[in-house]
Amino acid sequence: QKEVEQNSGPLSVPEGAIASLNCTYSDRVSQSFFWYRQYSGKSPELIMSIYSNGDKEDGRFTAQLNKASQYVSLLIRDSQPSDSATYLCAVTGGGNKLTFGTGTQLKVEL
Amino acid sequence: GAGVSQSPRYKVTKRGQDVALRCDPISGHVSLYWYRQALGQGPEFLTYFNYEAQQDKSGLPNDRFSAERPEGSISTLTIQRTEQRDSAMYRCASSLDRPVFSGNTIYFGEGSWLTVV
Repeated sequence: QKEVEQNSGPLSVPEGAIASLNCTYSDRVSQSFFWYRQYSGKSPELIMSIYSNGDKEDGRFTAQLNKASQYVSLLIRDSQPSDSATYLCAVTGGGNKLTFGTGTQLKVEL
Repeated sequence: GAGVSQSPRYKVTKRGQDVALRCDPISGHVSLYWYRQALGQGPEFLTYFNYEAQQDKSGLPNDRFSAERPEGSISTLTIQRTEQRDSAMYRCASSLDRPVFSGNTIYFGEGSWLTVV
């Protein structure tokens, strides 16, 4: 079992819709959770971080964390073509190592 | 500097040669990470430094890989006796402090593409 699992996609949503990206992790002592966006050929860039159970909203993005279920998700409201990218879920455990999933490719269609 | 700087951006080397990849983190960043990313995959952890101390090297594939950060700033990832399977994008990242603490964003460099022929 991989430490951080994501559906590789592609996930296709129409412009203006809500995109829902999911991630599960195996290490129960994980403490910090991140969503990175990576455009093709570019480096990952942080878009959301979440540290406690519940929802965290930042503009069109909402991160949701459920430590009991070992599940973290990212919702993107009013999806735009510019949101088309690969979204990487990352998790830190007690040792501060940041472990990434394989990423979910999102395609926002006109 | 303004961002994490890596060099060379592209490196082609012959199998069996040694290569050194350099990372210059954001000024003042305490934590530095090396990752390897294959096409279509997420970054794979290699090693991590806090200041000059290598805190975790559990991701280094074998003893041909080593990393150092002697003065707590610039870091070098060295691959000895390169093999074709070492071909990948090598990414360096840095953060002000350890990521477990809120607000310590990890910033990635543009990476070094290594091709072993």
